[in-house]
Amino acid sequence: DGGITQSPKYLFRKEGQNVTLSCEQNLNHDAMYWYRQDPGQGLRLIYYSQIVNDFQKGDIAEGYSVSREKKESFPLTVTSAQKNPTAFYLCASGDNRDRVGADTQYFGPGTRLTVL
Amino acid sequence: SQKIEQNSEALNIQEGKTATLTCNYTNYSPAYLQWYRQDPGRGPVFLLLIRENEKEKRKERLKVTFDTTLKQSLFHITASQPADSATYLCALDNNFNKFYFGSGTKLNVKP
Repeated sequence: DGGITQSPKYLFRKEGQNVTLSCEQNLNHDAMYWYRQDPGQGLRLIYYSQIVNDFQKGDIAEGYSVSREKKESFPLTVTSAQKNPTAFYLCASGDNRDRVGADTQYFGPGTRLTVL
Repeated sequence: SQKIEQNSEALNIQEGKTATLTCNYTNYSPAYLQWYRQDPGRGPVFLLLIRENEKEKRKERLKVTFDTTLKQSLFHITASQPADSATYLCALDNNFNKFYFGSGTKLNVKP
């Protein structure tokens, strides 16, 4: 089955620890994105990548890091520098179906991170 | 700064009626606007995309309008069903493959 997967679904972390969230897609999409969602708020862009070995900061990149060594994978590390990491994290990949720059985004099921 | 507004109050309607959700934006000139559906604890699912030069787009029971003068998009679900109950998000691009999402409007369709 084609799709985008995230693991784990739930993650608990102690303060001061780094943690890495996994995101894998087999849709052959070039673009991948990481968002954070807090209750009552819209999705906020953390990082995005348009191509392998390249990525750009989004609006709230501080305290996060990413890598894009393979087209299929875009892991997100939440570092201890992130002051308020408890949130729902969503990964997405982009399908340029309109071929004019618009990425329809396919989202994974999300990872809920709780800092204890 | 860019701002996207969706009604934060839930929309409650009766089954069979038409649901209309609103997305307003300021300080944007988006080339595209998208609507997504999100169920509790899950990732959003793409529904429709409309370009700035399109006034209206339809897909089955869904209809989206896009008024760049008013800086507003309306999302309609006709003949609504309880299964349509979810949160609906609008998203706008910034012409550089970055997207900005509204906080969503929760729709409750009562049988």
